[in-house]
Amino acid sequence: GQQLNQSPQSMFIQEGEDVSMNCTSSSIFNTWLWYKQDPGEGPVLLIALYKAGELTSNGRLTAQFGITRKDSFLNISASIPSDVGIYFCAGQRYSGNTGKLIFGQGTTLQVKP
Amino acid sequence: DVKVTQSSRYLVKRTGEKVFLECVQDMDHENMFWYRQDPGLGLRLIYFSYDVKMKEKGDIPEGYSVSREKKERFSLILESASTNQTSMYLCASSLQGLGGTNEKLFFGSGTQLSVL
Repeated sequence: GQQLNQSPQSMFIQEGEDVSMNCTSSSIFNTWLWYKQDPGEGPVLLIALYKAGELTSNGRLTAQFGITRKDSFLNISASIPSDVGIYFCAGQRYSGNTGKLIFGQGTTLQVKP
Repeated sequence: DVKVTQSSRYLVKRTGEKVFLECVQDMDHENMFWYRQDPGLGLRLIYFSYDVKMKEKGDIPEGYSVSREKKERFSLILESASTNQTSMYLCASSLQGLGGTNEKLFFGSGTQLSVL
């Protein structure tokens, strides 16, 4: 099936540092999304991107929909301990009148206080 | 707030057993999904449903079936559990958006299934 390549797989950073992660695909997507999964919980939507080149912020999080529509980036500024978790990118393509999400492998973030 | 409830947090079953994973959502969402989550592989779609009594295969449907008799409930069935089905199973729901969009998924907390 389709694959999204998400990197890095894991990060261990100091509190206060900025974080960058990205997702690439060989296919074009109509929508890019970023989800966060806290330990012991299901993923929660952070940011949704709908147009190529779009840059969207949600607090300390900023995500971009790549111009080629084959990639997306997520940045977290001034990380704090509660940023710990697994971050997933997801792309959506429309087929007929339905859309299916394809998820990346996830980036596990650990923050050292 | 949307709530997606999965009946069990942890489940231990034996090889060959029939296993039922239950999921209920309380926001009248049309769409419901079952994913499995494995380290290094992310979330992979098993089955989904856009309406009652309707089901469609996802990317990895082999060894699974589903049932949606009521709008709020979506069940995942492992007909004969095998050790390679040991995984975290996540249920999700969403509203039916324009053009079939369903990106705003609401997930349950997951069921960690171990098959021995």
